[in-house]
Amino acid sequence: IAGITQAPTSQILAAGRRMTLRCTQDMRHNAMYWYRQDLGLGLRLIHYSNTAGTTGKGEVPDGYSVSRANTDDFPLTLASAVPSQTSVYFCASSDSPDRAVADTQYFGPGTRLTVL
Amino acid sequence: DAKTTQPPSMDCAEGRAANLPCNHSTISGNEYVYWYRQIHSQGPQYIIHGLKNNETNEMASLIITEDRKSSTLILPHATLRDTAVYYCIVPLSNFGNEKLTFGTGTRLTIIP
Repeated sequence: IAGITQAPTSQILAAGRRMTLRCTQDMRHNAMYWYRQDLGLGLRLIHYSNTAGTTGKGEVPDGYSVSRANTDDFPLTLASAVPSQTSVYFCASSDSPDRAVADTQYFGPGTRLTVL
Repeated sequence: DAKTTQPPSMDCAEGRAANLPCNHSTISGNEYVYWYRQIHSQGPQYIIHGLKNNETNEMASLIITEDRKSSTLILPHATLRDTAVYYCIVPLSNFGNEKLTFGTGTRLTIIP
């Protein structure tokens, strides 16, 4: 079982270009998340999806879009990259049988993105 | 999420118990306390969580005060591989599958 995989591992991108970060999980978890991590700021939530077919905005959604066509995949798209989107991006998933309890999230290895 | 406060950094000698404190004075009765850690350049890793009782697993122990306003994560025999940033998080529990708010955590350094 691989858990959560992310691709690419790292990428250098010219400003203005479109980029999709891929995230796939094989745990059949209902919920998936995208975070970005910048030095000194901890992790900040970009978008999330509680179940296939639904998405929601997190703390810093501007400039990003997501889709959740199926349970396993949760791609993050930067329509027109800007230098401030240089960051490390982490995908996570979780599944809780009891929706009254916030549950454990499992994280991928991250994608290091540099926008020049 | 209830706000949490952690010291920015701590050192601990290898082989000793590492005790990481967290204040969460605004926690409500049905909110859990979660601990994650992040080893350099890796994704965060779940450690443990609890509501009101003390909890123990293969990684750590979690001690929650009776008033639930603070907690302590205990790594009983710290090793060099425990050097990481440790995050104490109290997520909203009203909706399930809730987003986590990571602060800046405590940077724990294990000293040989």
